[in-house]
Amino acid sequence: DAGVIQSPRHEVTEMGQEVTLRCKPISGHNSLFWYRQTMMRGLELLIYFNNNVPIDDSGMPEDRFSAKMPNASFSTLKIQPSEPRDSAVYFCASSRIQGASNQPQHFGDGTRLSIL
Amino acid sequence: KQEVTQIPAALSVPEGENLVLNCSFTDSAIYNLQWFRQDPGKGLTSLLLIQSSQREQTSGRLNASLDKSSGRSTLYIAASQPGDSATYLCAVQGGSEKLVFGKGTKLTVNP
Repeated sequence: DAGVIQSPRHEVTEMGQEVTLRCKPISGHNSLFWYRQTMMRGLELLIYFNNNVPIDDSGMPEDRFSAKMPNASFSTLKIQPSEPRDSAVYFCASSRIQGASNQPQHFGDGTRLSIL
Repeated sequence: KQEVTQIPAALSVPEGENLVLNCSFTDSAIYNLQWFRQDPGKGLTSLLLIQSSQREQTSGRLNASLDKSSGRSTLYIAASQPGDSATYLCAVQGGSEKLVFGKGTKLTVNP
């Protein structure tokens, strides 16, 4: 059973370039989460989707960040234009939410992003 | 706004020792509390999930407790092993599906 798959694992790019991070959730999961992890701020939720619909994007830092989920098996997080302060590890997670049932979130291995 | 604090930030113990990791949260109106493990360069792995109506959960050598009224949780690891070395994160879920994480405790178990 494949877990959450993220690509690329590492990305190094110059300031001002567009960055696209990709995520494939676990099949059958209906919620998807994008997180950012830094030493200073820890793990922060950026946005989450339920049944492909964005539910809460209050954690998205600026208009430079956007996320889409065109179908149940794919999501992207885009940064345009990128800045050095965007350097972090970005995680995608998925879970199955069914009524009041609480299922743990399953995390991908993350994308380590460095903006020069 | 919910805030989650984990103390200590780092802990080093000899192999075989029993240990306790602490987590506190400011808003007691939570849906559940979860403990995760993170290995270097990896994502998070869920260890235990405690519903708000529960007091504790156990899995193997791990036991997590929850005192919602005081805003505290502990993760007890029995007979620690070098393979337990990792960062342990606590997260609380409020009314939505959002998790609020602590910054973690980095555990090192020395052979």
